[in-house]
Amino acid sequence: AQSVTQPDIHITVSEGASLELRCNYSYGATPYLFWYVQSPGQGLQLLLKYFSGDTLVQGIKGFEAEFKRSQSSYNLRKPSVHWSDAAEYFCAVIRADRGSTLGRLYFGRGTQLTVWP
Amino acid sequence: KAGVTQTPRYLIKTRGQQVTLSCSPISGHRSVSWYQQTPGQGLQFLFEYFSETQRNKGNFPGRFSGRQFSNSRSEMNVSTLELGDSALYLCASSLAPSTEAFFGQGTRLTVV
Repeated sequence: AQSVTQPDIHITVSEGASLELRCNYSYGATPYLFWYVQSPGQGLQLLLKYFSGDTLVQGIKGFEAEFKRSQSSYNLRKPSVHWSDAAEYFCAVIRADRGSTLGRLYFGRGTQLTVWP
Repeated sequence: KAGVTQTPRYLIKTRGQQVTLSCSPISGHRSVSWYQQTPGQGLQFLFEYFSETQRNKGNFPGRFSGRQFSNSRSEMNVSTLELGDSALYLCASSLAPSTEAFFGQGTRLTVV
C-alpha cells in the first residue's frame, strides 16, 4: 500500500512566486515526517522534519511545512522561490509501528520543481 | 563535522560481476540505511543496520547483502550483477533508528 503520495510530478513557478508542494500519507498513527531535496546527481538533503509539537515547522533555505493531521498532509511551502530552488523534492515518513523503533523511510515519488527566471 | 561519505562515487561493472559499496556514517551515528534510486521505481529501501545488526530488510533478492562494522561503517554487496541493478545507491546515517537521516552523495552504479 502506498504510504506517501506526492500528487504533483512536476511543478513550474516563476522566480519570486510562492510555492506549495503537496504530500499526503496513509498511516493510522502519526508518523515522523520529512522533506528532502535532491539536485541532479547528488544525494538527498534534509529540509525539515516533524516528530511532534508545533505543527508548523521551519526548515533551511526559507522553507516551511505544516502538518495537518485531519488531512494526513505535510505540505512544503516557500513564500518566494529562487532560481537555485530548482530541484526534486521528496516527502518521506517513518512509520512507528506498534512502538517499533525501525528507521525505514517511506518516500513519495518526488516532485520536480522548475523555476522560470 | 564531516557528512556521510560513500565510496566510490561512480562504478561501471559488467553483468555477472559483483560489487561492494562503502558508507562511512557521520561520527557518532550508529544507524545506517541503504536505498536504491532508479527513475522507474524511485527510492526503494534495501537495509537498515544498527549496532552491527540488520534490523530491517527491503524486498530485494538475496543477491543484495550488507553488513555493518563495529565502527558503524557499512558495506553493501551485490553479486551476479544484472542490467537492472544500474542505479544510484544512497546511504543514510542517523544517531539511532527513527531519528532524522542524513544522506551521502551516493554511488552511481552502471552495469553494462
